Amino acid sequence: KNQVEQSPQSLIILEGKNCTLQCNYTVSPFSNLRWYKQDTGRGPVSLTIMTFSENTKSNGRYTATLDADTKQSSLHITASQLSDSASYICVVSDAGANNLFFGTGTRLTVIP
Amino acid sequence: DVKVTQSSRYLVKRTGEKVFLECVQDMDHENMFWYRQDPGLGLRLIYFSYDVKMKEKGDIPEGYSVSREKKERFSLILESASTNQTSMYLCASSIQGNYGYTFGSGTRLTVV
Repeated sequence: KNQVEQSPQSLIILEGKNCTLQCNYTVSPFSNLRWYKQDTGRGPVSLTIMTFSENTKSNGRYTATLDADTKQSSLHITASQLSDSASYICVVSDAGANNLFFGTGTRLTVIP
Repeated sequence: DVKVTQSSRYLVKRTGEKVFLECVQDMDHENMFWYRQDPGLGLRLIYFSYDVKMKEKGDIPEGYSVSREKKERFSLILESASTNQTSMYLCASSIQGNYGYTFGSGTRLTVV
């Protein structure tokens, strides 16, 4: 069964600290993996998208990694800011059918 | 940048009312999608469309219908709203192969 699991479910960190969010998936055949940021009450906004051949991709203070062998991805946030408080959703697309499989997200709260 | 616009951010409707949620995209995308998002369940696909007048059921189509009369507009219809349809509704669009996948800002629907 194609699934995407994210951990932790929620996380609270101090402003300025780093954090890492995890995404494990069983989607096969794999096409690409995306990380989205969703502010409360808003739609998800794309942070990164990675294909099979990409191990890492950065977008400012956000760095995503992908290990297609172990089917794991992580999103690392450096020097967190209050505006990073949001839900982060991992989405995996399968090859061919182009279906999208969504994780349930990690709720990050950055406190001063 | 692609813009996906949902006509209402917040909506309150009574049980039994017919509800229309509108979504418009401005980049000539072929594919359009409707999701609902509930705590702990993530995003679930209701309906999608890959061309004008075409529609396909997603994972949870019961109680919903859709209309796509023009390429840029995809409407979600609740024929007779019920309290269990209280949710955040997200529209998205993409080009072939789910590239350029972009979400709207969401509509928070409350059925009382």
